[in-house]
Amino acid sequence: AQKITQTQPGMFVQEKEAVTLDCTYDTSDPSYGLFWYKQPSSGEMIFLIYQGSYDQQNATEGRYSLNFQKARKSANLVISASQLGDSAMYFCAMRGGGTSYGKLTFGQGTILTVHP
Amino acid sequence: GAGVSQSPSNKVTEKGKDVELRCDPISGHTALYWYRQRLGQGLEFLIYFQGNSAPDKSGLPSDRFSAERTGESVSTLTIQRTQQEDSAVYLCASSLTSGRMNEQFFGPGTRLTVL
Repeated sequence: AQKITQTQPGMFVQEKEAVTLDCTYDTSDPSYGLFWYKQPSSGEMIFLIYQGSYDQQNATEGRYSLNFQKARKSANLVISASQLGDSAMYFCAMRGGGTSYGKLTFGQGTILTVHP
Repeated sequence: GAGVSQSPSNKVTEKGKDVELRCDPISGHTALYWYRQRLGQGLEFLIYFQGNSAPDKSGLPSDRFSAERTGESVSTLTIQRTQQEDSAVYLCASSLTSGRMNEQFFGPGTRLTVL
């Protein structure tokens, strides 16, 4: 079975500072993918970044980067230069292999609040 | 409008009634997924369709839940004899295939309230 754990129910950050959102995962599949999604108060799910289990380098997308530590089974999201519009719920998710292929397993989410 | 669309956006029903939720995926996307999100929670996988393959129904919580998909287009999620614990936002997503990364694009969801 796959499991995603996000231990931070809420995080606060000052505008223009960097923030790290934690995510650990558990799977027995050798091949898997890790995703981060943003969900603003409007409810839409916005894809941010993806990391494959065999990718050698940490993924980056603009101000988002994924700190992938495979041995520790962690995939933390780093947001640099926070903006007020970054205030939202953030979900870490995993797609495994085998019979789990295709579907995403989500964590409980972290609410990020950016202060001016 | 090239995104995933869902209807209705809101549905209020009485306990015991049946409801149908509709999802129109992005044109050309062969994979379609249904998730449920209870208030303040993460998303729970319900079911996914990939082309003409048998759907993966492993996330459906009970036999009151079912879903159909016509070819590679519209999907309908049906909940029979609704219960109050079925109240949630039901999200649909689609992707090009269910391959390596293939980002899932989400619709705006249907908020279901069972009184």
